Amino acid sequence: EPEVTQTPSHQVTQMGQEVILRCVPISNHLYFYWYRQILGQKVEFLVSFYNNEISEKSEIFDDQFSVERPDGSNFTLKIRSTKLEDSAMYFCASSELGQGVPIVNQPQHFGDGTRLSIL
Amino acid sequence: GIQVEQSPPDLILQEGANSTLRCNFSDSVNNLQWFHQNPWGQLINLFYIPSGTKQNGRLSATTVATERYSLLYISSSQTTDSGVYFCAVLSGGGADGLTFGKGTHLIIQP
Repeated sequence: EPEVTQTPSHQVTQMGQEVILRCVPISNHLYFYWYRQILGQKVEFLVSFYNNEISEKSEIFDDQFSVERPDGSNFTLKIRSTKLEDSAMYFCASSELGQGVPIVNQPQHFGDGTRLSIL
Repeated sequence: GIQVEQSPPDLILQEGANSTLRCNFSDSVNNLQWFHQNPWGQLINLFYIPSGTKQNGRLSATTVATERYSLLYISSSQTTDSGVYFCAVLSGGGADGLTFGKGTHLIIQP
């Protein structure tokens, strides 16, 4: 079964540094997402991406964050000037385009996550 | 935004027992998914179930969209079922991002 692949599995970075988290979505999917889970808390939506632009973003996704699809397969999350509170598990997800009238959203498939530790 | 409440927050059972996990949501939904987060932090997709009933082995799920709840049933529990079970929904207002509940932490003791 096709999978969403995330690299690295664990990233340790000094506070103030920039970090890039990488994801390879499922090949025929058109919607891409990033989520965050602070240790012991629930998973929170950050941003969705469709047709080479941000479709929706949450309040968490401020100017410190950016996303990019640099080529036909990768989808990245960049965090500038990292802070201690950015330490979390970051999940990438992808889904097919919604179908039908009215549009029925398709399930989102999640990668295994990148555990980001800011020191 | 849409609110998602899961119950119970914690559940400890003996191996072989059955359990029912509940997810209530505050508005109409276009998507509802159940996930199992294992001890390594991986989110395993269990069901995509915006309405109706589905079964997969020892697990089954039912969503009654008109009454705004979903249930996850686990039968004949095994120690490998331990972990956190999350319900996540996509509201009917055109949103893209799933809203997760706080999860049910399940511990299956041998």
